[in-house]
Amino acid sequence: DQQVKQNSPSLSVQEGRISILNCDYTNSMFDYFLWYKKYPAEGPTFLISISSIKDKNEDGRFTVFLNKSAKHLSLHIVPSQPGDSAVYFCAASRISSGSARQLTFGSGTQLTVLP
Amino acid sequence: DTEVTQTPKHLVMGMTNKKSLKCEQHMGHRAMYWYKQKAKKPPELMFVYSYEKLSINESVPSRFSPECPNSSLLNLHLHALQPEDSALYLCASSQLIGPRPGELFFGEGSRLTVL
Repeated sequence: DQQVKQNSPSLSVQEGRISILNCDYTNSMFDYFLWYKKYPAEGPTFLISISSIKDKNEDGRFTVFLNKSAKHLSLHIVPSQPGDSAVYFCAASRISSGSARQLTFGSGTQLTVLP
Repeated sequence: DTEVTQTPKHLVMGMTNKKSLKCEQHMGHRAMYWYKQKAKKPPELMFVYSYEKLSINESVPSRFSPECPNSSLLNLHLHALQPEDSALYLCASSQLIGPRPGELFFGEGSRLTVL
């Protein structure tokens, strides 16, 4: 059972335009959502996050929107740059045993920004 | 220092070998994680340690044995692995309490090949 889904395995966008990456989740226990960026042969790096009590968080060119009733979040990148080309993972977090948080990843979306 | 350091970066082992993967962080994080990532798949959680105690084991086979000697170190001992265990093994750490729960800092991973 895939609790976090990214239905688009790939996305191509022209440089300067907006990139929109989507993510859906099923588990209501998730209370914090994150986007990670991954280049080949590297570990994922944190990009931006949002608490379940908010509906929008903005950091420079990156904005994450959360629609809790639809269990849907999206990442907007504007303007897109060629250096943004990478795999983007949506992740959802919930408290688990021992106070640790359990992070569940979506399957990722390969973003390609064309010059 | 915001790094999670993993060694070795690459490891090739036979099915009868015993080897270990090592992970180190000096950010004062009290949660540490092992994830496994196969090609074109999301990272999958294996183990979580919080306050140096194993708090989550995601039904991982016993041929994988984690160890947390202290709050900065995390090991993954490997014995009698199968070729299907070949993957990128990612270590991560996080705060247990903080403004961005679930924000994991990942190492670059150890690429394991089992012959």
